[in-house]
Amino acid sequence: DVKVTQSSRYLVKRTGEKVFLECVQDMDHENMFWYRQDPGLGLRLIYFSYDVKMKEKGDIPEGYSVSREKKERFSLILESASTNQTSMYLCASSSLHLYGYTFGSGTRLTVV
Amino acid sequence: KNQVEQSPQSLIILEGKNCTLQCNYTVSPFSNLRWYKQDTGRGPVSLTIMTFSENTKSNGRYTATLDADTKQSSLHITASQLSDSASYICPLKTSYDKVIFGPGTSLSVIP
Repeated sequence: DVKVTQSSRYLVKRTGEKVFLECVQDMDHENMFWYRQDPGLGLRLIYFSYDVKMKEKGDIPEGYSVSREKKERFSLILESASTNQTSMYLCASSSLHLYGYTFGSGTRLTVV
Repeated sequence: KNQVEQSPQSLIILEGKNCTLQCNYTVSPFSNLRWYKQDTGRGPVSLTIMTFSENTKSNGRYTATLDADTKQSSLHITASQLSDSASYICPLKTSYDKVIFGPGTSLSVIP
């Protein structure tokens, strides 16, 4: 059974903290994505990566950075967490032909 | 204006009843349109995928339809079950490989 695993289901962080969200996939997928999901806004793309050490900005990259040192791992970094980054964060991966995404279970981040 | 809109925003139905969820889009043409089911606290899981040239696709009790003329897709759920309670999302993949997600419809099936 293929999997996308996000390291934490729930996180509570303080304003100004540096936050790391980790995502690992075991399907040898080339593409990996980070989305945030907020009520009424749907999923919005933060960053994506088509290859190791490669990253592209999505629709809302401000306040975030990413790292992809290995093919199976894609990390989302909040350099200085703010309360407006309280959200559900979803990682996804897909094969090169983009037939569909496999999503992780999500990380619900609360910044206080 | 959102390029993918969904209606209703939320829906409550009795167990065993049928329901239809709507997805309206402005992007055309597109590569494919999917329907995902997202259980509370989980990531979305794909239910169906349709290309621009297809007009219907079934997956068990779920049937998705696509009308390219009116730019509408529907997800019809037959004989609903309590486990159908979830959010349903329709992302559309454009011809430029960009994926645009709708805001989702929250479905609650009650006994």
